[in-house]
Amino acid sequence: KQEVTQIPAALSVPEGENLVLNCSFTDSAIYNLQWFRQDPGKGLTSLLLIQSSQREQTSGRLNASLDKSSGRSTLYIAASQPGDSATYLCAVRDDYKLSFGAGTTVTVRA
Amino acid sequence: NAGVTQTPKFQVLKTGQSMTLQCAQDMNHEYMSWYRQDPGMGLRLIHYSVGAGITDQGEVPNGYNVSRSTTEDFPLRLLSAAPSQTSVYFCASSSGRGGNTIYFGEGSWLTVV
Repeated sequence: KQEVTQIPAALSVPEGENLVLNCSFTDSAIYNLQWFRQDPGKGLTSLLLIQSSQREQTSGRLNASLDKSSGRSTLYIAASQPGDSATYLCAVRDDYKLSFGAGTTVTVRA
Repeated sequence: NAGVTQTPKFQVLKTGQSMTLQCAQDMNHEYMSWYRQDPGMGLRLIHYSVGAGITDQGEVPNGYNVSRSTTEDFPLRLLSAAPSQTSVYFCASSSGRGGNTIYFGEGSWLTVV
């Protein structure tokens, strides 16, 4: 059974600092890994999707890396802003299913 | 651009009542699924379907029933609601297996009292 872990569970940083969010998974037989953002009381917003054959994916200030052999992914958010405050979830896809981590709740202080 | 549509968005049920959460997608996706999200636990798969007439259980299927009579719709039924089913429910769809993106609905907040 795939287990996905996100560390830390919560993170508070001053505005402008770079964010580093970690995700690890136990079974490397995945099709892709996806990072989501979730605001309180809201649904999931897909941020980045990395296919299993890729090493990284970038979108604006966001960069996600994937090391499938070691079962790790890292989401980097450059120059954080208060609007980046949210919960960030990673999920790995094996065949039809997504397995989620519990998320990292980020607070960016102005 | 409707994507994945869930209804209702909010619902309060009494213990023992039944109800159906509706999910519809307009992208002609074969694969649809239901997840529940509880505090501190991430999302967990309840049931999924790989096409009309085909459903299977996920990680936490007990107390829920599904059917898939059309490609577009994948309703989730709570047969006899329990307080433990208080949760946020998300429906998702994708165009098949493997590396394709999975799209999520906006969620249904369910409280069982």
